[in-house]
Amino acid sequence: EDQVTQSPEALRLQEGESSSLNCSYTVSGLRGLFWYRQDPGKGPEFLFTLYSAGEEKEKERLKATLTKKESFLHITAPKPEDSATYLCAVQAGSSSNTGKLIFGQGTTLQVKP
Amino acid sequence: NAGVTQTPKFRILKIGQSMTLQCTQDMNHNYMYWYRQDPGMGLKLIYYSVGAGITDKGEVPNGYNVSRSTTEDFPLRLELAAPSQTSVYFCASSYSGEQYFGPGTRLTVT
Repeated sequence: EDQVTQSPEALRLQEGESSSLNCSYTVSGLRGLFWYRQDPGKGPEFLFTLYSAGEEKEKERLKATLTKKESFLHITAPKPEDSATYLCAVQAGSSSNTGKLIFGQGTTLQVKP
Repeated sequence: NAGVTQTPKFRILKIGQSMTLQCTQDMNHNYMYWYRQDPGMGLKLIYYSVGAGITDKGEVPNGYNVSRSTTEDFPLRLELAAPSQTSVYFCASSYSGEQYFGPGTRLTVT
């Protein structure tokens, strides 16, 4: 069964304290892995797509990496405005004609000043 | 582009009432989706559509119905609302990969 597991569920950091969020996946024929940011009371906002092992994408203080079994979202020197829930999702090869994604439960990040 | 828009933002329903959640996208995406998100839980797919006139069930379709008469619109119908349908509902659309989400509708059934 295709599934996505994110860890930790919650993470508290001090401003400037770098860390990583993990997304482990089991999927038959990965077509893409997606990272989203969700602020309280809002819809998820797309951040990155990764397609193959070894690929990396960066945006400001965020860097996403991908292996054959997991993805990491590295946050370098975070600021309080980085506080949000980060969602990971995968698209299986069997979903190529529907676009369906399988979402993890999310990691809620709190960055204290 | 407005992206994906949803109305209403908030709604309170009484048990047994019905309502339609509206979703419109202006990106000419063929694929559209309805999710619900409960506190501490991930996004659960209710229904999806791969194009006008084509819809299919997701993992939690019971108590809901959808239609897709145009590329732009994908309304979600709740019949005979139940307390278990209290949730935040998100509509999303995509071309084939990443999905783009609307702002959500917060629904309370009492």
